[in-house]
Amino acid sequence: GDSVTQMEGPVTLSEEAFLTINCTYTATGYPSLFWYVQYPGEGLQLLLKATKADDKGSNKGFEATYRKETTSFHLEKGSVQVSDSAVYFCALGPYGQNFVFGPGTRLSVLP
Amino acid sequence: DAGVTQSPTHLIKTRGQQVTLRCSPKSGHDTVSWYQQALGQGPQFIFQYYEEEERQRGNFPDRFSGHQFPNYSSELNVNALLLGDSALYLCASTAWGDWGINQPQHFGDGTRLSIL
Repeated sequence: GDSVTQMEGPVTLSEEAFLTINCTYTATGYPSLFWYVQYPGEGLQLLLKATKADDKGSNKGFEATYRKETTSFHLEKGSVQVSDSAVYFCALGPYGQNFVFGPGTRLSVLP
Repeated sequence: DAGVTQSPTHLIKTRGQQVTLRCSPKSGHDTVSWYQQALGQGPQFIFQYYEEEERQRGNFPDRFSGHQFPNYSSELNVNALLLGDSALYLCASTAWGDWGINQPQHFGDGTRLSIL
């Protein structure tokens, strides 16, 4: 079945460091890909999305590119802030089916 | 514009009891999905409701059931609670037409269910 794999956390960075969180997927068909963020005590918020190969999603300084050849959707940010500390989930949405989430990667940014 | 709202925020039950969780979708949405998020894990799809019918179901036992009302709000019921049912239960909504093209779902803040 469809699945999502993410790099294990926690990831701890200093403020203004470069961030990469790896995400790879297996899916039949042509899914859309998403990154969601979950702050403590809250639900999931959509961070960015890409609906087809080579699309780049971006929001709030975060970027991810849909790479069909490597089945990846890695999340990047050039300069993280303390306020970016959260759990990040990669997800795929097979056409017309329920979303499949990865296990999440916890990010802690130190001042 | 109210987003997805869930109630209650927290709930404590004992093994064998039954629980009902509630969800109101975002304005303009007619499709509700429920997810279970165990501690330290990603959300797992339970089921989805549209037009008051269960449309898709994940790998969850029949102890998990649901309902959707004419105003699109939804309930998740869990019978014969087990310790392993302790989790954050998330409700997500979308518009059915958007669902078919994989537009993002909008999530509520969840109900934290603890089983003693």
